[in-house]
Amino acid sequence: AQSVTQPDIHITVSEGASLELRCNYSYGATPYLFWYVQSPGQGLQLLLKYFSGDTLVQGIKGFEAEFKRSQSSFNLRKPSVHWSDAAEYFCAVAPGFNAGNNRKLIWGLGTSLAVNP
Amino acid sequence: KAGVTQTPRYLIKTRGQQVTLSCSPISGHRSVSWYQQTPGQGLQFLFEYFSETQRNKGNFPGRFSGRQFSNSRSEMNVSTLELGDSALYLCASSLAGQGVDIQYFGAGTRLSVL
Repeated sequence: AQSVTQPDIHITVSEGASLELRCNYSYGATPYLFWYVQSPGQGLQLLLKYFSGDTLVQGIKGFEAEFKRSQSSFNLRKPSVHWSDAAEYFCAVAPGFNAGNNRKLIWGLGTSLAVNP
Repeated sequence: KAGVTQTPRYLIKTRGQQVTLSCSPISGHRSVSWYQQTPGQGLQFLFEYFSETQRNKGNFPGRFSGRQFSNSRSEMNVSTLELGDSALYLCASSLAGQGVDIQYFGAGTRLSVL
């Protein structure tokens, strides 16, 4: 069965420090991969996505992620964290193109990020 | 362009009651998906509607139902509410071509069942 694992439930970093949030997926083929962010009381906002091509993708707010097929990972990174980045981060997977017309995103349980001033 | 709008933002109901949640997608988006978000289970897919037809369905009991109107607005209904139905219900809309496209989320409706 397809699954997404975010190993870190909660992470605390200092403002200005670098950040890496981990995401591992279980899926037979190459999936479509997403990172979303959820601020308190808000819906989910797309940070970045990987469909194909360059395995290093750039997103909004200075975030990037790298798809590593050999490790079934799609880790999110930011070189310098800002206090406003404190939020919940979700990794999600959708079946790849050959899986047909399927929009059922499968989600990790999220990583809560706290930023110390 | 206006985003995805969900109403109401908050609801308090008692066990056994039923509830209807509403979602207005981004203009031009034809697909609406619903998700349930709880601290223990995370985000779980409920169903997706496209052109007034349910196209995908998650593993939820029949008490959870939905529909989509000709203007792509969607409603979700939960009958015979249980305490475990307390959650944040998120709606997402997308253009809905073939394959996977980007989903845009509303702020959600927080349902509390007492």
